[in-house]
Amino acid sequence: QKEVEQNSGPLSVPEGAIASLNCTYSDRGSQSFFWYRQYSGKSPELIMFIYSNGDKEDGRFTAQLNKASQYVSLLIRDSQPSDSATYLCAVNEDSGAGSYQLTFGKGTKLSVIP
Amino acid sequence: DADVTQTPRNRITKTGKRIMLECSQTKGHDRMYWYRQDPGLGLRLIYYSFDVKDINKGEISDGYSVSRQAQAKFSLSLESAIPNQTALYFCATSDPASTDTQYFGPGTRLTVL
Repeated sequence: QKEVEQNSGPLSVPEGAIASLNCTYSDRGSQSFFWYRQYSGKSPELIMFIYSNGDKEDGRFTAQLNKASQYVSLLIRDSQPSDSATYLCAVNEDSGAGSYQLTFGKGTKLSVIP
Repeated sequence: DADVTQTPRNRITKTGKRIMLECSQTKGHDRMYWYRQDPGLGLRLIYYSFDVKDINKGEISDGYSVSRQAQAKFSLSLESAIPNQTALYFCATSDPASTDTQYFGPGTRLTVL
């Protein structure tokens, strides 16, 4: 059973702080990794994706990937109240016959306190 | 206009009724997906289609069927709705020639009484 694990939270951080969201995955063959943000009752929207070990930065967001440890994280710098949402980690895993599907974690709820 | 649209956005129906949820996209993506989301269970894949002639079952296909009418249209049917199919349903599309990132429609909130 391929799994993507996230701490469900809620994770509370003060405004202006760094929020750190973590995700582990079970399939060593995973190729690509995605972070989505989902506001309550809305659809997931892509924040960023990462394929290679190391860090990838996009504005206030940094994704970090460590394939040896099967670990991917998302850092949000200068957190704002508008960042309050549920963050979904998704991993592109082999579903067999060379076909890849996204497997989603259950999400971490982030609350940024003004 | 939105790239991925879903109709209806909200639906309340009764047990035993047949329901169809529709998804259309203008992104030109070959791949389309149907997910359901339940509190505490996350997003789960129901069916996916990599092109018009390709339909595949996902993790939780029982009780559902799909039709890929065209590259741009992918419909999900509940032949005989039951209360535990009450959920938020999302359609998504992706382009394998690009990053294969999935882009989601706005969702359909379905309630089965």
